[in-house]
Amino acid sequence: QVQLQESGPGLVKPSQTLSLTCTVSGGSISSGGYYWSWIRQHPGKGLEWIGYIYYSGSTYYNPSLKSRVTISVDTSKNQFSLKLSSVTAADTAVYYCAREEQWLVDYWGQGTLVTVSS
Amino acid sequence: EIVLTQSPDFQSVTPKEKVTITCRASQSIGSSLHWYQQKPDQSPKLLIKYASQSFSGVPSRFSGSGSGTDFTLTINSLEAEDAATYYCHQSSSLPITFGQGTRLEIK
Repeated sequence: QVQLQESGPGLVKPSQTLSLTCTVSGGSISSGGYYWSWIRQHPGKGLEWIGYIYYSGSTYYNPSLKSRVTISVDTSKNQFSLKLSSVTAADTAVYYCAREEQWLVDYWGQGTLVTVSS
Repeated sequence: EIVLTQSPDFQSVTPKEKVTITCRASQSIGSSLHWYQQKPDQSPKLLIKYASQSFSGVPSRFSGSGSGTDFTLTINSLEAEDAATYYCHQSSSLPITFGQGTRLEIK
């Protein structure tokens, strides 16, 4: 069974760039067939999809965040990463990495809380 | 983008009761509707995929139905461990979206 684990700083200053990495185990990103995505959840709120990447490097971002988001993949490390620029307090959230099969999110990481504060 | 609206937002129920949660899509999505359970401080877990297919390992008391714009998650004979927030999610078109959630409290 595939497992995903997020890692990265838990505290980011306003206007800086949030950077997170997701390490995948139990399956290879480069085998294809799945999209690898980032989803966030503001404290006590619902779920917001950020975007996905395919092993080939093709991406799709939520239009609401598109201007600030970059998702990349490193198949040699079986990892994919999220960068969110120019963060504000409104970007404080739990960030999940996940696997999508035909856009259905079937497996999630445990999530990591990122707080934007000076 | 497709908006998913769940009802109710909150429900307080007793064990062994039957619970129904609905999800309405702003446009037809066929059967591309999925249900998740999220317990406090945990990530969401997939329960039902493509409206009515149970995901691996999910107890049989969870079932789903619907197509087009109206969908239902049913929990038969509720157990204390079912206290959680339930979300629907559509994979019909990008960006994928989620409902606002239904919090289930067990009395």
